[in-house]
Amino acid sequence: EVQLVDSGGGLVQPGGSLRLSCAASGFTFSSYSMNWVRQAPGKGLEWVSFISGTSSTIYYADSVKGRFTISRDNAKNSLYLQMNSLRAEDTAVYYCARDGGNSGVNFDYWGQGTLVTVSS
Amino acid sequence: EIVMTQSPDTLSVSPGERATLSCRASQSVGSNLAWYQQKPGQAPRLLIYDTSTRATGIPARFSGSGSGTEFTLTISSLQSGDFAVYYCQQYKNWPLTFGQGTKVEIK
Repeated sequence: EVQLVDSGGGLVQPGGSLRLSCAASGFTFSSYSMNWVRQAPGKGLEWVSFISGTSSTIYYADSVKGRFTISRDNAKNSLYLQMNSLRAEDTAVYYCARDGGNSGVNFDYWGQGTLVTVSS
Repeated sequence: EIVMTQSPDTLSVSPGERATLSCRASQSVGSNLAWYQQKPGQAPRLLIYDTSTRATGIPARFSGSGSGTEFTLTISSLQSGDFAVYYCQQYKNWPLTFGQGTKVEIK
C-alpha cells in the first residue's frame, strides 16, 4: 500500500526557517517524481515544487523560488522541503504528492499534510 | 502562467441528481487536465487524469470530458460521500496550476 507521511510543520516567526519531511513507503520511491503542494487556510491548492526521481530536474513556483529548496534521499525513501525566509503568506498545510507518472505531472497519492504557521 | 477558472463556485444538488462542473483554461492545455476531490480535513484525491481517465478505484459515476480550454466533470448520480470540493489542475505547462475549486453541497 502506498503511504506518504508528512512531518515537520509548526509555528515559526517571520524570517525563520523550517524543514518538512515526507516518508514514503509501499512503492519504489526512486522511480517516481515527487511534489509539494500547499493549501492556505480556507483556500485552494497551490503547487509549490517538483523533483524528478534522480533529482536531475527541479521546478519551483515563483512564490517560493529562491527561498525554498526541494530535495530527496532515495536511500531513505524521503522527500524534503527546506523553507527559509518564511513569510506570513507561507502559512498553509503542506502536502507531499506523488507524480502519477501518466502523460504529465498529476498527483495520484498525497500525504496527510503538515501545518506550517508563520506568525510572530 | 495558465490560469484555471472553475464554475460555478458552489453547486447545490440533491442526492441522486447529476452534477456538472466546469473548468476553463486561459490557453490550451490539450488533454493534460486532472480532477481532484477534497473533503474537509482530508488530503485531495485524484479522480480523473488525461481529461477522461478515471484513477484507480474511482467509480464509473465520475466522468470527465473536454479538450483544449474547456473541460467538464460529471457526477452522474450524487451519493452522500460525493459532497466535497472539486479542483481541476493543468499539467501542460509549468507552473502547474489549479482552479479555485467548486464546492458541491447538498440541496
